[in-house]
Parts: sequence; structure tokens; C-alpha cells
Amino acid sequence: GAVVSQHPSRVICKSGTSVKIECRSLDFQATTMFWYRQFPKKSLMLMATSNEGSKATYEQGVEKDKFLINHASLTLSTLTVTSAHPEDSSFYICSASVLAGFNEQFFGPGTRLTVL
Amino acid sequence: GEDVEQSLFLSVREGDSSVINCTYTDSSSTYLYWYKQEPGAGLQLLTYIFSNMDMKQDQRLTVLLNKKDKHLSLRIADTQTGDSAIYFCAETKGSGTYKYIFGTGTRLKVLA
Repeated sequence: GAVVSQHPSRVICKSGTSVKIECRSLDFQATTMFWYRQFPKKSLMLMATSNEGSKATYEQGVEKDKFLINHASLTLSTLTVTSAHPEDSSFYICSASVLAGFNEQFFGPGTRLTVL
Repeated sequence: GEDVEQSLFLSVREGDSSVINCTYTDSSSTYLYWYKQEPGAGLQLLTYIFSNMDMKQDQRLTVLLNKKDKHLSLRIADTQTGDSAIYFCAETKGSGTYKYIFGTGTRLKVLA
């Protein structure tokens, strides 16, 4: 099956710093990548949809200047949490899709961000 | 509306069947999915069903879809301890963005 990786798997940073999370589709070219945020014991909240070579589409309530998304190629999307604060601490999950067939999204293993 | 709801917890004994339920409000959904999430990990697709189907069976998994009541269920036969996880239903409309709307998640605990 299609494999999606995320890096890093876990990151701890100081308040005010920026953190970049990478999402890669390893064995396929992804037309679209999605970024989710998951709070403890909660569901996944879609943050943004990212298409290669174009600007990301952010969901209502998600600050695009806070969560910068770059989708430079069909196999790589990055999420940068700028000027991170403790309330940004969360589990961030990406997914990738080829938007064909039954629209399956392939999920990465997630990145645990802790902001001190 | 886009609310997808699930019961929070389910506890079953090993070997019994588990039934996880999901209700959604948008009747235009095209595909519905069931995902499994183990602790600290991403999501694994278990199965999916197209909106014009009533039932789909895949080994130990049976999906039932009642479009009239907007109700989706996942039955796991012969539940094992390795099935303990959080199960999410999700729907997508195929509207161009293929955005998923996830349910609230059901934490399944299998007792040995």
C-alpha cells in the first residue's frame, strides 16, 4: 500500500520558535495533501488542503499566517508552526491522496509537538 | 450540517462481536470510511462503502449503511485484543477537495 512518512515524529520546542513538519509520500505522487490536528482523545480537525504548486486552502478558524503550508512537489508538503505557543501543542497528522477511485487518503504516522 | 457522531467508548470480551455506530447529517455523502488509530499512531483504513451500497463484508469486518437514517455501523466479528484502538468513521462528498469529515471516534477496549 501507499506509504506516507512524517518527520519529525516528536518535537519539543520553546515558546516563540518556529517548527517545520514534513510530510512525504514515499511511493506515489500525491495530487493533494491534507493537514490535520488532533487534540488528546479527540477527533481529527482538518486544518488545510494543499495542492502541489498552489496556495493551501485553510479551514475556517485556522490562521494561515500561523500555520504556513508549502507543497513544493507531488511528494512533499511542509507545515510550519510559526512563533509557537503552548496552546499549539498537539498531534499533527498529514495525509496524501491521488483523488481517484474511492478518494482514499493515506495517513502519515503523526508528529507530536510540545511547546514549552 | 457536517456533524458526524459516534459513541465514545465500547468494551467487549475477546471473541465476542463489536458493533461501532456512526451517524451523520449530510445525505450527499458519496463515500463513507472506517479508520483505525492505535495509540500515538496515524490512521489505518479498514474499509469503505459507497453510498449506493447497503452492506459490505471484508473478512471479520461488516459495514452496514442505512441512508434513510444516515446511520453507518462497523461490526467486528471474533474481536481480538489487537483490535483495541480508536475507530473513526469519515465521510467525503467528492466535491473536488475530497475533504474528509471525521466522526468523534469510538475507543474500543477488548477484555481478555
